[in-house]
Amino acid sequence: NAGVTQTPKFRILKIGQSMTLQCAQDMNHNYMYWYRQDPGMGLKLIYYSVGAGITDKGEVPNGYNVSRSTTEDFPLRLELAAPSQTSVYFCASSSNSGTGGQETQYFGPGTRLLVL
Amino acid sequence: TQLLEQSPQFLSIQEGENLTVYCNSSSVFSSLQWYRQEPGEGPVLLVTVVTGGEVKKLKRLTFQFGDARKDSSLHITAAQPGDTGLYLCASRGPNFGNEKLTFGTGTRLTIIP
Repeated sequence: NAGVTQTPKFRILKIGQSMTLQCAQDMNHNYMYWYRQDPGMGLKLIYYSVGAGITDKGEVPNGYNVSRSTTEDFPLRLELAAPSQTSVYFCASSSNSGTGGQETQYFGPGTRLLVL
Repeated sequence: TQLLEQSPQFLSIQEGENLTVYCNSSSVFSSLQWYRQEPGEGPVLLVTVVTGGEVKKLKRLTFQFGDARKDSSLHITAAQPGDTGLYLCASRGPNFGNEKLTFGTGTRLTIIP
C-alpha cells in the first residue's frame, strides 16, 4: 500500500493564481483531512470529510474549497492564491471514528506552497 | 476551540541526557495522541492514551496521561540523535466531534551528538 500520497511536492504560485492540491489514499479510509502547517507551528485543520460526498469546514477554511467524489481522493482547491497561503499542506486519512478516539491519522508527505 | 499548549517550544540537549515535554489544556481530553514529525515529512503517530493516569512505554519513551485528563507528558530517557524532530500532541475533546483532532503547537527537539 502506498498510504497517503500528495502531489505536487512543491509549487510556486503568483498572487491571484489558482491550483489544486491532490491527495489520495489506498487504505479505504472514510475520513480524510487537510491541514496547513506554518513555520514553527502545529497543524491547523482546513477542511475534512467523513465520507464520499460529505465535507465540512475546519478551523481555517477561508480561501479554500474541497470536494470528495470518491473514497480515495480529496483534492484541495485554492482559487485566488494569496501570500498568507504560503505554507506546507498535509493531507491525512483515518478509519471511522467511534472507537473511543483511538484512531490513527495517517499523513501524506506534504505539499510546500509558496505564493509570491 | 480547545487549545493545547506545549512546552517547551524548543529544546536542545546532549545525546544521553533525559528530557520531558508537556502538553496542557484547560479542557478535558477524551483521548490524547502524540505524534513525531521529522523534517520534510508528515507526522507519525507514537501513542494514544485514553484513561486518566495511564502510562505507556515505547522503548525509551514514556507517555503519561494526567489523572484529570487535562495534561500529558512525554519523557525520553538517554536521548539519541534519532529522537530529533517536532513532537506534537493532539486531542479529541468533549466539545468537538470525535472525527477531528486539535494539534498543539509542538516541541521542536534537537539532540546534539
